[in-house]
Amino acid sequence: DQQVKQNSPSLSVQEGRISILNCDYTNSMFDYFLWYKKYPAEGPTFLISISSIKDKNEDGRFTVFLNKSAKHLSLHIVPSQPGDSAVYFCAASEYGAQKLVFGQGTRLTINP
Amino acid sequence: EAGVTQSPTHLIKTRGQQATLRCSPISGHTSVYWYQQALGLGLQFLLWYDEGEERNRGNFPPRFSGRQFPNYSSELNVNALELEDSALYLCASSRGGDRPDTQYFGPGTRLTVL
Repeated sequence: DQQVKQNSPSLSVQEGRISILNCDYTNSMFDYFLWYKKYPAEGPTFLISISSIKDKNEDGRFTVFLNKSAKHLSLHIVPSQPGDSAVYFCAASEYGAQKLVFGQGTRLTINP
Repeated sequence: EAGVTQSPTHLIKTRGQQATLRCSPISGHTSVYWYQQALGLGLQFLLWYDEGEERNRGNFPPRFSGRQFPNYSSELNVNALELEDSALYLCASSRGGDRPDTQYFGPGTRLTVL
């Protein structure tokens, strides 16, 4: 049962444009969401998180939006830079479950 | 501040052997998590240790086990290795508590089972 889904395995964006990565979840008990970035042969790096009491959180070029009614979150990167090329994972947790549930990841490629 | 460290970087074993993977968390973090990332798949939760105790485990057989030491470092042991155990094993740490706080990952150990 895939509770967190990233339906786009890959995304290609031109440098300077906006990158939008999407994530859907099925468990309505999830109340904390995170985005991680992963380069090859490295561990995932925490990017940004959002609590279910908010619908938006911003950190520099990264903004995460949460739509609880649609059980959907997205990560916006503006402007996209070549160093943003990586695999992006969304993750979710619910209080008491004591684990993070990860999506399958989306490979973002920023083209010059 | 040093990040999460893992050893070894690479590990090659044959089927039926045992593998031991090690992880040192960020200073001040008391929770350690283990994940498996098989080729082409996302991160699958394996184990969560907090304050020396196993708090939760994922849907993996009992031959996957581990422990957390008084200094909060951790070991993951995989017994009776099977070919499908070949994967990147990631360790993460976070501040302790009743829920998984933001987790910080190490570089991983690449386990290859021949």
